[in-house]
Amino acid sequence: NAGVTQTPKFQVLKTGQSMTLQCAQDMNHEYMSWYRQDPGMGLRLIHYSVGAGITDQGEVPNGYNVSRSTTEDFPLRLLSAAPSQTSVYFCASRGGGQHNSPLHFGNGTRLTVT
Amino acid sequence: KNEVEQSPQNLTAQEGEFITINCSYSVGISALHWLQQHPGGGIVSLFMLSSGKKKHGRLIATINIQEKHSSLHITASHPRDSAVYICAVRSTGSQGNLIFGKGTKLSVKP
Repeated sequence: NAGVTQTPKFQVLKTGQSMTLQCAQDMNHEYMSWYRQDPGMGLRLIHYSVGAGITDQGEVPNGYNVSRSTTEDFPLRLLSAAPSQTSVYFCASRGGGQHNSPLHFGNGTRLTVT
Repeated sequence: KNEVEQSPQNLTAQEGEFITINCSYSVGISALHWLQQHPGGGIVSLFMLSSGKKKHGRLIATINIQEKHSSLHITASHPRDSAVYICAVRSTGSQGNLIFGKGTKLSVKP
C-alpha cells in the first residue's frame, strides 16, 4: 500500500491563479480531510468527507473547494490564490465508521502565493 | 483560549534524559491522539487513547479523563526523537474531526 499520496510537494503561485492539490489513498478509507499548517498554529481543518459524494466544511473553508467523486481521491482546489493561503497543506484519511481509528497523513504540499 | 493546550512549546534535552510533554483540553472527548512530525514534515500517528496508558517501545502515553490531561513520555531519549509532537482530541459529537494543539518542538542533543 502506498498509503496517502499528495502531489505536488512544492508549488509557487501568483495571486489570482488557481490550482488543485491532489490527494489519493489506497486503503479504502471512507473519511478524508484537508488541513493547513501555519507557524505558531495547530493544524486547522479546511474540508472533510465521510464518503464518496459527501463533503463538508471545516474550520477554515473560505477560498477552497473540494469534491469526492471516488473513495480514493479527494482533491483540494484553490479558486483564486491569495498570499494568505501560503501554508503547508496536509491530506489525511482514516477508516470509516471508526471514529477512533488513527489518521494517516500524506507528506504535505508546501504552497507559496506571491 | 485554545481548546487543546500543550506544554512546553519547546524542549531541549540531553541524550538519555526522560522527557514529558503535556496536553490539556477543555472539551469532552471520545479519544486523544499523539502525533509526531519529523523535521522533513511528515506526520505519523503514535498513539490513540481514550483511557489509561499505552506503551510502544520507549514511548508511553497516559490520559486522565477526569482531569482532561494527557502526557507523552519518552524514556532514554535519543537524537532521532527530535521532532514536533502534536496532541489532538476528537471531541464528542464532532463528526470525528480532530482539534489540534500547536505542538511541542523537541530537540535531543547527543
